[in-house]
Amino acid sequence: EVQLVESGGGLVQPGGSLRLSCAASGFTFSSYWMHWVRQAPGKGLVWVSRINSDGSSTSYADSVKGRFTISRDNAKNTLYLQMNSLRAEDTAVYYCARDPSSGWYDYWGQGTLVTVSS
Amino acid sequence: SYVLTQPPSVSVAPGKTARITCGGNNIGSKSVHWYQQKPGQAPVLVIYYDSDRPSGIPERFSGSNSGNTATLTISRVEAGDEADYYCQVWDSSSDHNYVFGTGTKVTVL
Repeated sequence: EVQLVESGGGLVQPGGSLRLSCAASGFTFSSYWMHWVRQAPGKGLVWVSRINSDGSSTSYADSVKGRFTISRDNAKNTLYLQMNSLRAEDTAVYYCARDPSSGWYDYWGQGTLVTVSS
Repeated sequence: SYVLTQPPSVSVAPGKTARITCGGNNIGSKSVHWYQQKPGQAPVLVIYYDSDRPSGIPERFSGSNSGNTATLTISRVEAGDEADYYCQVWDSSSDHNYVFGTGTKVTVL
């Protein structure tokens, strides 16, 4: 059974940092591109970042470019999102999602809430 | 950047058919995927590549895509279908154009 379990969310002050993790199981993690998608309270889904299967290629939404870094450890079956210089508008539930091919998502984690507030 | 427009809400009586549209410039040339999201839950894939259904998704869910509009159709609507629905495409003209629609709240009367 495919499972994606996010962790690392919480309350952080503006300008602070947080690292999210997504532990994958039930599939060959190293074979799949992975993404982060976020959802602000009461709002829609917004793509944040993606990484290819071996970690050699990454891409970011303009709103997080230069502040967020996506990475993965295929030996640990874990996806990461390092978030720096956090802003109030980064407040959201962050989901990791598996990309079976060409930018869509067949499995999602349950999400982890990030709240940026003083 | 590429924009996908959905109606904010659709209301439908049980047993009837709900149609949710997703408008985008020449969307018929792209592959469209649909997700269902119930309150407090993660999204679930219900249609991929315009009209394919993942295993476990009822045949009542179907999709089509042509011209400037993609459509998710839910036949014989049940109370359990009440949820938010999002369309999504990857716009290959840009490496970072993974685009979601604005979302549609389906209410079962």
